[in-house]
Amino acid sequence: ILNVEQSPQSLHVQEGDSTNFTCSFPSSNFYALHWYRWETAKSPEALFVMTLNGDEKKKGRISATLNTKEGYSYLYIKGSQPEDSATYLCAFTSGTYKYIFGTGTRLKVLA
Amino acid sequence: DAGVTQSPTHLIKTRGQHVTLRCSPISGHKSVSWYQQVLGQGPQFIFQYYEKEERGRGNFPDRFSARQFPNYSSELNVNALLLGDSALYLCASSLLGDDTYEQYFGPGTRLTVT
Repeated sequence: ILNVEQSPQSLHVQEGDSTNFTCSFPSSNFYALHWYRWETAKSPEALFVMTLNGDEKKKGRISATLNTKEGYSYLYIKGSQPEDSATYLCAFTSGTYKYIFGTGTRLKVLA
Repeated sequence: DAGVTQSPTHLIKTRGQHVTLRCSPISGHKSVSWYQQVLGQGPQFIFQYYEKEERGRGNFPDRFSARQFPNYSSELNVNALLLGDSALYLCASSLLGDDTYEQYFGPGTRLTVT
């Protein structure tokens, strides 16, 4: 059974702090890893799609890295703002048109 | 441009009934996926359709079925509803059926089974 794990489950940081989360996935049969941000009462929003070992992607203050050999991806947020408060989800796919999501990391940024 | 739309927003059904959920993808998107999300868990993959063909199916019983229409909209059907089917049902569309394309999610349909 393929499993995707995210840590920590939840996180409280002060405004201005930098933070990071981990997504662990099966290292075999890797095809792509997706990161999403899901704010309360909104739809999940795509952040990154990562496909190559060593990939690094950046969008504003958010960046992500990928290590397919050891099966993990990190998501970094630099200088957290209250509007970054959300659940961050990762989803693994082995290219079989099925996505396996982690349970998410719930981030709360305190002003 | 309109995003992914889903209807209805909320729905209350009784055990044993049938339900149909609807999804309209972003214009030009040919792939639609369905997910079930229960509180405290990540979305669970149900189906992916591309060009009206089922491309992937998650570990859900045969009570769950779906289809995609020529205009790429999609329906998710659930028969013989159980209390455990109560969840948020999310639809996502992508441009093509390849798993490297970004998925765009709709707001979801909240199903409550009593």
